[in-house]
Amino acid sequence: DADVTQTPRNRITKTGKRIMLECSQTKGHDRMYWYRQDPGLGLRLIYYSFDVKDINKGEISDGYSVSRQAQAKFSLSLESAIPNQTALYFCATIGGSRDEQFFGPGTRLTVL
Amino acid sequence: LAKTTQPISMDSYEGQEVNITCSHNNIATNDYITWYQQFPSQGPRFIIQGYKTKVTNEVASLFIPADRKSSTLSLPRVSLSDTAVYYCLVGLSDKIIFGKGTRLHILP
Repeated sequence: DADVTQTPRNRITKTGKRIMLECSQTKGHDRMYWYRQDPGLGLRLIYYSFDVKDINKGEISDGYSVSRQAQAKFSLSLESAIPNQTALYFCATIGGSRDEQFFGPGTRLTVL
Repeated sequence: LAKTTQPISMDSYEGQEVNITCSHNNIATNDYITWYQQFPSQGPRFIIQGYKTKVTNEVASLFIPADRKSSTLSLPRVSLSDTAVYYCLVGLSDKIIFGKGTRLHILP
């Protein structure tokens, strides 16, 4: 089984809808991250969390919110989706002796 | 977090050795250098990490000069499956920032 899972893997929604992307990890890491990636661009950090009680904004947090329900779960919400939020979204954890990041498979979100 | 600069893209041929250099002039004393690889529609995955001199693992080597202001990822005898984006990151910050990376295209 994958260490970092994301649901859904693909989602098409309409402008103005609320949508939640979920991330779960079995690595036991405290630190979790949400990134978005647009075609031809690198990953941009949306939010990150060091533990259940800690939430931090990244480079592009406007229009997004997150919830850290447990050590293993970190959800990303779009309260009112807009077309320019169409992107590939990745969840990641970090840990280990090398502070290595482990990424989920990604969620492809399309906002019409 | 130290800023990194790497080429936007590179082309090479199967069987060749590929070297991708990353500049990080503002690297801090405690910073490590880490490289990730990303295939289309997949999350990045860790390739190699180093602090100084040379590090080698089963997929790549990392060369870091004494001043540590740059580093070179070396991929020996590349194949078509090495076509990917390669990211150089510096520092062990909790707020990890990815740049645009280097898009490596391997030709037959």
